[in-house]
Amino acid sequence: DIQMTQSPPSLSASVGDRVTLTCRASRSISNYVNWYQQKPGQAPKLLMYGASNLEKGVPSRFSGGGSGTDFTLTISSLQPEDFATYYCRHTYIAPPFTFGQGTKLEIK
Amino acid sequence: QVQLEESGPGLVKPSQTLSLTCTVSGGPVDTDNYFLNWVRQPAGQGLEWIGRIDASGKTTYTPSLKSRVTISLDTSRNQFSLKINSVSAADAAVYYCARERIHEIMTGYLPYHALDVWGQGTTVTVSS
Repeated sequence: DIQMTQSPPSLSASVGDRVTLTCRASRSISNYVNWYQQKPGQAPKLLMYGASNLEKGVPSRFSGGGSGTDFTLTISSLQPEDFATYYCRHTYIAPPFTFGQGTKLEIK
Repeated sequence: QVQLEESGPGLVKPSQTLSLTCTVSGGPVDTDNYFLNWVRQPAGQGLEWIGRIDASGKTTYTPSLKSRVTISLDTSRNQFSLKINSVSAADAAVYYCARERIHEIMTGYLPYHALDVWGQGTTVTVSS
């Protein structure tokens, strides 16, 4: 199975900062990565699919990139509502489509 | 607009069977180009994919749970269900149902899959 490793596990940042979260796959998965945002007590929310495709309704300050084994999720200017936990998940070829362990984005 | 809602007992005894149902509203449960999934999250931990079912009833499960899990479809009630046998404390979690969208790109390329609609989650405790 393909393993997804996210870094860092947690990150402190301030409103207005530009932050980049990283996800690494255990083998090449082209661009078959999704990113999800989860706030406490809520279900995850789809942000990006196919590594760089913004889901409808998601603010344009979110962007994704990468291909092969290394992927990024960038938030260009942090807003108060962006403080949450972010998960990557691969969808390459066939299940199990595994999640990364998450990056918790906290207010500095 | 499709919505999902989980339901079922919040407390299950060890060694018994966990049974949850996801009710789909706003569209048929057996739509082509979509899968229906179960995902769980133990308290304070990350997300674990459990399995999925397609419109024809074909299922796929995560290897670590495959021997204990059954996902089924009830088109007459517009629902799909999850059963996990022989539960232990390790099965205590928030359980989510989620719709998986298949987004075709172009001929010769794998489609994109994404969990685009989620239920609000239901908490299951395992205790005697």
